[in-house]
Amino acid sequence: DTGVSQNPRHKITKRGQNVTFRCDPISEHNRLYWYRQTLGQGPEFLTYFQNEAQLEKSRLLSDRFSAERPKGSFSTLEIQRTEQGDSAMYLCASSLVLGSGGTYEQYFGPGTRLTVT
Amino acid sequence: SQELEQSPQSLIVQEGKNLTINCTSSKTLYGLYWYKQKYGEGLIFLMMLQKGGEEKSHEKITAKLDEKKQQSSLHITASQPSHAGIYLCGADMGYGGATNKLIFGTGTLLAVQP
Repeated sequence: DTGVSQNPRHKITKRGQNVTFRCDPISEHNRLYWYRQTLGQGPEFLTYFQNEAQLEKSRLLSDRFSAERPKGSFSTLEIQRTEQGDSAMYLCASSLVLGSGGTYEQYFGPGTRLTVT
Repeated sequence: SQELEQSPQSLIVQEGKNLTINCTSSKTLYGLYWYKQKYGEGLIFLMMLQKGGEEKSHEKITAKLDEKKQQSSLHITASQPSHAGIYLCGADMGYGGATNKLIFGTGTLLAVQP
């Protein structure tokens, strides 16, 4: 399977605990995105990386959230001191961006569903 | 996002019928993406449109982007139960250039009755 993969698929945690999600993009895709989706809504952009550089963070990403892509391949999204409002599906997407400007196909992974009790 | 409106919100059709889903923006779009999502799962890429007047097809699904690049329609011909799911349009709003950050509509829930 050469698509975007995410682990774990489901995570249940208690309020106040830290959680970490992993995303493995399509091989050789240089751009990686994180989105969050709550029930009945479309995904909302959180942050994205160009190779290992984090280029933009949404205002939705509070200080409790941190994302990394240390070697420009897989990425992790960590949430510290989880709150019930963090319950959502966390989606990762990747694309191959050639040069500046232009639009490129984005492929999504299956998501990690987080439930904070 | 209210920047991108999808209609209808839900749709029930008989198998074999045609249907159309619309996605409208008040701003010019740099790219318009269509995805399909099964409940609780990830998004499956269908098509991406960039140029005004562009039309793409995949199997029985056709998507168009209008000349002004502010509206797109997704048309399914001879619907089948396998077409059931949530259809999401996503758009690159640009804000000065293509950003590849997508803003999504709230989706259209499609049910196909055998």
